[in-house]
Parts: sequence; C-alpha cells; structure tokens
Amino acid sequence: GENVEQHPSTLSVQEGDSAVIKCTYSDSASNYFPWYKQELGKGPQLIIDIRSNVGEKKDQRIAVTLNKTAKHFSLHITETQPEDSAVYFCAARIALNFGKGTSLLVTP
Amino acid sequence: DTEVTQTPKHLVMGMTNKKSLKCEQHMGHRAMYWYKQKAKKPPELMFVYSYEKLSINESVPSRFSPECPNSSLLNLHLHALQPEDSALYLCASSQVADGSYEQYFGPGTRLTVT
Repeated sequence: GENVEQHPSTLSVQEGDSAVIKCTYSDSASNYFPWYKQELGKGPQLIIDIRSNVGEKKDQRIAVTLNKTAKHFSLHITETQPEDSAVYFCAARIALNFGKGTSLLVTP
Repeated sequence: DTEVTQTPKHLVMGMTNKKSLKCEQHMGHRAMYWYKQKAKKPPELMFVYSYEKLSINESVPSRFSPECPNSSLLNLHLHALQPEDSALYLCASSQVADGSYEQYFGPGTRLTVT
C-alpha cells in the first residue's frame, strides 16, 4: 500500500520566518495530495491541496509544491504567525492514511 | 454547509458498557469514514462507507461495529471496549471514496474507557 513519510516531526520557528514541511510517497498512481492542519482538541482541517497535473499551488501565505518524478511534495508557510502553531499532516490520496505529522511551533 | 457534526463530544464508558458514536453531514457526500487518533499520532483509518455500503474495514476488532443508516448518518457502536481503545474518534466525509476528493472532518469524540 501507499507509504507516506513526513519530515520533520517537530519544527520551531520565530514569528515571521518561513516553515517548510516535506513528504515523500511511494505509489506513483497517487494523484491528490492534501495538507491538513490540526489544532488541539479539533479535527483536521484542509488548508491546501494539489493534484498531480500541477507543480505548485499558492493560497496567500501557504504554498504546496509537487515533484512527481521524485515523488515528494512540500508545504511552505511564509511570514509565520503564532496562530500557525499546530500539527500538520500530509497525505497521498490513493490510500486514505496520513503522514506521521509535524508539530509546528511559532514563537513570538 | 460544509460541516460534519459528531456527538457526543466526550464519552466515558466502562469495559462492559454499550455506547454509540454518531456522525452527520448534509453536503450530499457519498463516502463517510471513521478514524481513530491517539495522542501525538496521525488519524488511523478504521472504516470506509461508500454509497452506504461498507467498502473498507481496516482489520478493526469486532467490538467496534459501524453502521450507515442513510447517506447523511454514520454510527459507530461500541461494546466491551478495552482501556487501550481510549482515543479521539474522528468522522469524515467526501464526495466519493476514490481518494481524489477533499475529506471534511468532524471535531471528534474523545472516548475514555475505564
């Protein structure tokens, strides 16, 4: 089945800096790559997604890039704010499972 | 309305109890999911319903019994649980279950088994 590896497991950045989280996947048939943000006590919420026919997608301070040849995709958050602190999960959507998650802490 | 609702928010049950978790969506989605999430871990897929039929059961013990009474509702019946079953139980839905559509998650039910 699909295997999704996510790095790093924890990330601490200063407010205003950028944060990058990377995921790799194994099944070349995967064609949909969502990123979820989970705040404490809440369910995961989709923040951005990308399909296999696109290399990059942006939504304000958040961007996702996809390299299908290398089978990896990354989440980029620019100008981080304390409210960006949460756990972020990637997924490669042939399977319905998630990467192990990245706990992002943005310090003022 | 892009909301998935789950009840109850919190549940404490003994190992001999029978209880049910409920999930509802009104987005017209034909795929619904149950996930189990332990602290500091990603959600783990338990069951997938596609067009009200169980399509995936990830080798979940029989003390967990899912039910999909109609396209908007999903239940998870619990019986004779163990303390290690304590977790956050998340419900999700998507347009269809082919893995290419966004999943919408509910807030979860925090289950404690004593």
